[in-house]
Amino acid sequence: GAVVSQHPSRVICKSGTSVKIECRSLDFQATTMFWYRQFPKQSLMLMATSNEGSKATYEQGVEKDKFLINHASLTLSTLTVTSAHPEDSSFYICSAHRTGTSYEQYFGPGTRLTVT
Amino acid sequence: GQQLNQSPQSMFIQEGEDVSMNCTSSSIFNTWLWYKQDPGEGPVLLIALYKAGELTSNGRLTAQFGITRKDSFLNISASIPSDVGIYFCAGRKAAGNKLTFGGGTRVLVKP
Repeated sequence: GAVVSQHPSRVICKSGTSVKIECRSLDFQATTMFWYRQFPKQSLMLMATSNEGSKATYEQGVEKDKFLINHASLTLSTLTVTSAHPEDSSFYICSAHRTGTSYEQYFGPGTRLTVT
Repeated sequence: GQQLNQSPQSMFIQEGEDVSMNCTSSSIFNTWLWYKQDPGEGPVLLIALYKAGELTSNGRLTAQFGITRKDSFLNISASIPSDVGIYFCAGRKAAGNKLTFGGGTRVLVKP
């Protein structure tokens, strides 16, 4: 089956620093990847859609200069949280849409970010 | 913002019971999906529905795509302890691949 990995699974960083989260599709190519944020006991909120080789499309209210997304290959997208603050602490989940319309999104295991 | 209303928000189950949850929307969706999320993990796809009126099963799970395309339900029959978790509905509109998620239904075991 399709597998999506995320690295790291947990990260703690200090306020003001930047942290990079990787999302990889391990056994398939993904033209499109999605980044979600999930606060405790809440649903997934889409942050941005990442297309290979082009600029990401951000949802309303998501700062593109703060959440930098790079989708450099068909199997890798990265999310960099710049100048992190405690309110950025959250569970970040990526998903990958397998190329070909008959497939659904496959989700990664998530990354728990804690900003101190 | 979130457009899917999912209910109930939480429920307690006893082993062997059947459980139901549903999602409603004020707008039409082209595809309805049901996911399960365990603590600290990403969602896992349970059932995908592509046609209005479609009824699909996956083991003890059954889901239906409402005829108006504005709702869907998920049934779990003969629940077992590993059914505990959070279930999310998600809808996709005709254009693009973006999903909109419901608020989730937290399934817990009766003490």
